[in-house]
Order: sequence, then C-alpha cells, then structure tokens
Amino acid sequence: AQSVTQLGSHVSVSEGALVLLRCNYSSSVPPYLFWYVQYPNQGLQLLLKYTTGATLVKGINGFEAEFKKSETSFHLTKPSAHMSDAAEYFCAVKDAGGTSYGKLTFGQGTILTVHP
Amino acid sequence: SAVISQKPSRDICQRGTSLTIQCQVDSQVTMMFWYRQQPGQSLTLIATANQGSEATYESGFVIDKFPISRPNLTFSTLTVSNMSPEDSSIYLCSVWSLSGNTIYFGEGSWLTVV
Repeated sequence: AQSVTQLGSHVSVSEGALVLLRCNYSSSVPPYLFWYVQYPNQGLQLLLKYTTGATLVKGINGFEAEFKKSETSFHLTKPSAHMSDAAEYFCAVKDAGGTSYGKLTFGQGTILTVHP
Repeated sequence: SAVISQKPSRDICQRGTSLTIQCQVDSQVTMMFWYRQQPGQSLTLIATANQGSEATYESGFVIDKFPISRPNLTFSTLTVSNMSPEDSSIYLCSVWSLSGNTIYFGEGSWLTVV
C-alpha cells in the first residue's frame, strides 16, 4: 500500500523567507502527486500536481514542487513566504495506473506558520 | 476544473441521530469519493461511489455506518448513521476529472456531534 510521509508537522518561517515543505512517498512506480492547501475553516484547494512530463511543476500562489524519482520525493517550495501562506499543506499520491481513479493517500499534513 | 457543492456546510447533531450529506458536481464523473478528516488529522478515504453499483468501502468503514447513494453521474450522498462524538469530523466529497487529469474536492461538511 502507498504511504506518504511529510517531514515536520509544523514549519515556521519569517515573512520573505524560503518555504520548504517535504514529502516522500513509498511507491516503486511513479505515481501522480499532488499538493493541497487547507486554510483555516476551509476545504482543500489544489496547489499543484505532477502526472507526467516536466518534473518541476508550478502551481498557484508562487508555489512549485519538483518530482525526484530517485529520491521518491515531491517537496514543495516557495521562494518568499507571505503572511497569507499560513495554512495546512497536504501532500497526496495516487497510483498512476489501474482502477484507482481518484483514490488518494494523504500525508499527515504540515502546518505552516509565517511570522512578520 | 470541476465545481463541487456540498450540503450542509456545517451542522451540529445529537448523538444517536443520522445525517445525510449531499455532493453535487457540475459535470458528469465516473467515480466520486468520500473522505473523512477528523480533528487535527489528515484525510482518510471512506469509500468510492460508482453510479449504478454499490459503493466500495475502505478498511475500517462499513455500509451500515456510512451508507452511500449514487443515483446519477453528478450526485452522491453520504449518510453518517447513529452518530457519536467520535464522528465529529469534516466529510469531503471528491471527484477525479479525466479532462483535468486531477482530483478536486468540495468545501467539506463540518459535523459536530454532541
């Protein structure tokens, strides 16, 4: 079964600093990879995804992530944090093939705090 | 992108009662999915809802507790039966969009059982 590990349940950065949220997955076959953001008292919003092709993907709000097959990683970065980035971030994976059309396995989430 | 509407958005329920959550999608989708997010936790898949057949439940979830309907390609319901405080969670509907090659979520239904 798939597993997703997000290193660090809480990450704190200063406004303007680099944001790095880590995600590793367990699949031996490259899956589809997603990052979602959940703002307080809201649902999930898709930040970005990797399915095939270019391994560096850009998403909304200045975020990007790089798929590294050799490291089974899909870390999320943003060069300069804004206060509005404070939220919980979830990494999720989906098997690329078979009948797992929309079954996602989620990491435990990382709460990002941005200090002035 | 797919637009997913869930009702109710929030509710406070008495223990022992049941509540049905509705999920409406603005386009036809083959499969719809129901997730649960317990307080402070990540999301866990409850079941996959296929049109015209019974839902497929994940380990730890049973039909008697979480009956699901999928009457057509744009709509599904999840019922949380005989609720206890442990059922206080966010319940989210999601769909796999073939055209967008991605997975979208509704805004969630926030249930508190007292």
